[in-house]
Amino acid sequence: NAGVTQTPKFQVLKTGQSMTLQCAQDMNHNSMYWYRQDPGMGLRLIYYSASEGTTDKGEVPNGYNVSRLNKREFSLRLESAAPSQTSVYFCASSAVNAYGSYNEQFFGPGTRLTVL
Amino acid sequence: QKEVEQNSGPLSVPEGAIASLNCTYSDRGSQSFFWYRQYSGKSPELIMFIYSNGDKEDGRFTAQLNKASQYVSLLIRDSQPSDSATYLCAVTSKVGRRALTFGSGTRLQVQP
Repeated sequence: NAGVTQTPKFQVLKTGQSMTLQCAQDMNHNSMYWYRQDPGMGLRLIYYSASEGTTDKGEVPNGYNVSRLNKREFSLRLESAAPSQTSVYFCASSAVNAYGSYNEQFFGPGTRLTVL
Repeated sequence: QKEVEQNSGPLSVPEGAIASLNCTYSDRGSQSFFWYRQYSGKSPELIMFIYSNGDKEDGRFTAQLNKASQYVSLLIRDSQPSDSATYLCAVTSKVGRRALTFGSGTRLQVQP
């Protein structure tokens, strides 16, 4: 099992360029998440997908879009990159129990994005 | 007020000592609480979770939860230099109960 994988590992963009960050999990998890991590800020939720076919905004969704392509894959798109989006992006996934509230999350290795 | 607050540290302890990491949260409705460890340049990895008041022990780690006071702590016994990392506290998010809100983390340094 690879767990949660992310591509690319590193990316440099110019302001205004677009790109898609890819995430896949092989643990048959229902829920997937995108976070960004900035120095001193901890992890902030961008978007999440509780199950295949659904997506919801997190704390900081502006400037991003997501697609839950199937149960395994959840992509994050930056339509017009800005320097404020320079960050480390983590994808995570979790299983959900019958009560829906227990959610140990497993993280991918991250994508380090710089926007010039 | 941040939803999840942690002292950023660094918290410095000698090898073999007990490290005590604390976290407070603002949402009384939070049900699940997690401690993640993150080494520099790496992704977070789960150490422990707790959702009932009291203590939960796993090896050298003990998580403590007090919902009335809205704090959760992590004790690391017999601290080792390999425990040096940033420890992130996470609680069930207001945004969606399956999402988490993270604190900004406490950096722990274990001195050999």
